[in-house]
Amino acid sequence: NAGVMQNPRHLVRRRGQEARLRCSPMKGHSHVYWYRQLPEEGLKFMVYLQKENIIDESGMPKERFSAEFPKEGPSILRIQQVVRGDSAAYFCASSGPGQVSETEAFFGQGTRLTVV
Amino acid sequence: DAKTTQPNSMESNEEEPVHLPCNHSTISGTDYIHWYRQLPSQGPEYVIHGLTSNVNNRMASLAIAEDRKSSTLILHRATLRDAAVYYCIPGAGSYQLTFGKGTKLSVIP
Repeated sequence: NAGVMQNPRHLVRRRGQEARLRCSPMKGHSHVYWYRQLPEEGLKFMVYLQKENIIDESGMPKERFSAEFPKEGPSILRIQQVVRGDSAAYFCASSGPGQVSETEAFFGQGTRLTVV
Repeated sequence: DAKTTQPNSMESNEEEPVHLPCNHSTISGTDYIHWYRQLPSQGPEYVIHGLTSNVNNRMASLAIAEDRKSSTLILHRATLRDAAVYYCIPGAGSYQLTFGKGTKLSVIP
């Protein structure tokens, strides 16, 4: 049973380009979450999705960032027109069916985005 | 979100027990207490969670104070692979986890 798969593991983008980060949740998991970890800081929640629905995007920056979890395929975190301040590790997590208050989140290995 | 206080760092000798404390005096009555850890260059890993009663699993034990204002994560025999940053996270669920600075655990061979 594969864990949460994120790709790519490392991504380098020039300022102004687009970054697309992919996340495949664990098999059977219907809840997906994205977190960002800036250098020397703790992880910060960004967005919570279920299939074809954004449940909570209160942690997403208002501009340039978007996320989706289509009916088929992985969840995508998209960052348009990247800036140096977007350089960070982006982690995806998933959890299974049941109350989110009673289930644990399983994290992927992360995508380390470097903007040059 | 409940505010948490954890020691910045702790050390343990290999194969000895480790008690990692956490104060969460403003926790609400319905918040579970989650513990995660993050090894260097990896994503966080779930360790354990509980509401009121003490909990045990294959990784650790969680002791929760009767007033729920503090908890202690217990690793019964620390190994080198347990060296990580440990986060105590009171919260309503597996999402919107608020990761503070945590406790950096060093294990001495």
